[in-house]
Amino acid sequence: QKEVEQNSGPLSVPEGAIASLNCTYSDRGSQSFFWYRQYSGKSPELIMFIYSNGDKEDGRFTAQLNKASQYVSLLIRDSQPSDSATYLCAVNRGGNQFYFGTGTSLTVIP
Amino acid sequence: DGGITQSPKYLFRKEGQNVTLSCEQNLNHDAMYWYRQDPGQGLRLIYYSQIVNDFQKGDIAEGYSVSREKKESFPLTVTSAQKNPTAFYLCATEITGNYGYTFGSGTRLTVV
Repeated sequence: QKEVEQNSGPLSVPEGAIASLNCTYSDRGSQSFFWYRQYSGKSPELIMFIYSNGDKEDGRFTAQLNKASQYVSLLIRDSQPSDSATYLCAVNRGGNQFYFGTGTSLTVIP
Repeated sequence: DGGITQSPKYLFRKEGQNVTLSCEQNLNHDAMYWYRQDPGQGLRLIYYSQIVNDFQKGDIAEGYSVSREKKESFPLTVTSAQKNPTAFYLCATEITGNYGYTFGSGTRLTVV
């Protein structure tokens, strides 16, 4: 079983819609959770992190964490063509090492 | 500006050749990491260092070597023992385990 699993997609949504990206993790002791955005040919950039159960909002982005079910999701409201990228979920189990999913490719259609 | 500088951006390696990828940071972060990214496989950890003169192997360290002689620098050498080195190499730093990584812009290595 992989540490972190994501649906590779591609996920396509029309401009202005809500994009929902999901991630599950295997280690119940995982402590912190991160979403990175990676444009084609570029390095990942951190967009959200969450530590506690529930929702965390930052602008058009909302991260949701459910530790009992071991999943974390990212919602992007009012999706824009500039949101088209691959989104990586990462999990920290404690210490300095992070485990990454393979990413979900999102395309926002104008 | 604080950040991470990786060089070169593109690198071509001949068979049997060792090459070194540079990673320099001025963020004053203690921990530094090297990841490799292949299509469909996500990021895989090669080596990491939490303090000067100390480093640990990650999940795929075979065929790679590193040094950490100063806080700002964490170069990665891809040796001839690495049989499939073509990939996108990412250097990252962080303060603690709770704030996530900052990534450099990456080095794309191709075997010719």
